[in-house]
Amino acid sequence: IQLTQSPSFLSASVGDRVTITCRASQGINSYLAWYQQKPGQAPKLLISGASTLQSGVPSRFSGSGSGTEFTLTISSLQPEDFATYYCQQLNSHPLTFGGGTKVEIK
Amino acid sequence: EVQLVESGGGLVQPGGSLRLSCAASGFTFSSYDMHWVRQATGKGLEWVSVIGTAGDTYYPDSVKGRFTISRENAKNSLYLQMNSLRAEDTAVYYCAGRYCSSSGCYGFDPWGQGTLVTVSS
Repeated sequence: IQLTQSPSFLSASVGDRVTITCRASQGINSYLAWYQQKPGQAPKLLISGASTLQSGVPSRFSGSGSGTEFTLTISSLQPEDFATYYCQQLNSHPLTFGGGTKVEIK
Repeated sequence: EVQLVESGGGLVQPGGSLRLSCAASGFTFSSYDMHWVRQATGKGLEWVSVIGTAGDTYYPDSVKGRFTISRENAKNSLYLQMNSLRAEDTAVYYCAGRYCSSSGCYGFDPWGQGTLVTVSS
């Protein structure tokens, strides 16, 4: 199953609302996770099951979707949110990641 | 503190072998599916293998037949035996855990800090 993230690069300002899309090549129900990765660090799990926020993750992050189209939304971008974001399908093997979306400061 | 610590990375020649280890602490290791994920410099994430709580294993075609994942629950340890290494296997290798409960399965959490494998002559 291929995951296509868009955009691959995003330039935004603090306070902006940001939306990242992840499209699956076939239906994956809600078996989708979102990760945040900062340079030199391991990925951090933000959302499981397409919309379930992990404990400790700020509420400005939200996820939605099912089937083949999913979104990650940051309601008000904060300085610590500048990072690369990946989606991952957990529906079937081989598990796959999207290509990533780099969020940079405008 | 929940922690995963990888070790065993390094420089190896093409065609060579390397064994990675991942030491777990702070959580019930035997209850987690354990995964390896790699990331080449400046590139995205690639899933490498999984071993379930029952010992079932899966691999993508890119490493199938060359890599073997194993676990030793008594030692809270995960391993990745990598044979017939190629230049394209060069990457940071992360171990990660995935928990499934009666209410569902979650994404990968925790993650280790990664260990660098370089395949070059």
